[in-house]
Amino acid sequence: GENVEQHPSTLSVQEGDSAVIKCTYSDSASNYFPWYKQELGKRPQLIIDIRSNVGEKKDQRIAVTLNKTAKHFSLHITETQPEDSAVYFCAAGGSSNTGKLIFGQGTTLQVKP
Amino acid sequence: ETGVTQTPRHLVMGMTNKKSLKCEQHLGHNAMYWYKQSAKKPLELMFVYNFKEQTENNSVPSRFSPECPNSSHLFLHLHTLQPEDSALYLCASSQEIQGDGELFFGEGSRLTVL
Repeated sequence: GENVEQHPSTLSVQEGDSAVIKCTYSDSASNYFPWYKQELGKRPQLIIDIRSNVGEKKDQRIAVTLNKTAKHFSLHITETQPEDSAVYFCAAGGSSNTGKLIFGQGTTLQVKP
Repeated sequence: ETGVTQTPRHLVMGMTNKKSLKCEQHLGHNAMYWYKQSAKKPLELMFVYNFKEQTENNSVPSRFSPECPNSSHLFLHLHTLQPEDSALYLCASSQEIQGDGELFFGEGSRLTVL
């Protein structure tokens, strides 16, 4: 079936450093790639998304890049802060094959003060 | 109240009990979903409802029974569960069902099966 692979599963960085999380997807018809952040004990919330007609999108300290040819996309967080500590999920969707959002396994990001 | 709300937030039940999880959305969305979140695993889609009609059952065992009386409310009825069913159950909603729009999640119901 269709799947999304996410790496790394855990990531620890020092405050102020950058963090990068990578995902690959299998369904070439996917055209929507959101990223969700889930703080401990809280609900997942959308932080940024990108559609297949663009290669990069930025919102303050976070950015997402998409390589449709290679079928991978990445989340970049710059100048990390302790409040960035959370589990991050990537997903791929919008495909006429599945009609649903497929999530990656999640990355636990720890930002050390 | 706005957003997606779930009750109860925590539930402990024995394997022979019958209980229900409730989800309510006040966003005017047409699609509602149940997801299972277990440790070290991706979010697993269980059921999808579009305009209160079930459009997907992702090979979920029959001990989980969904109910969607209207487009604002979604239930998950639980009976004769197994310990491996212990997980966080997340409800979500979206404007449309195509999988290319934002999902709004509830806080989840943490289920423990003894």
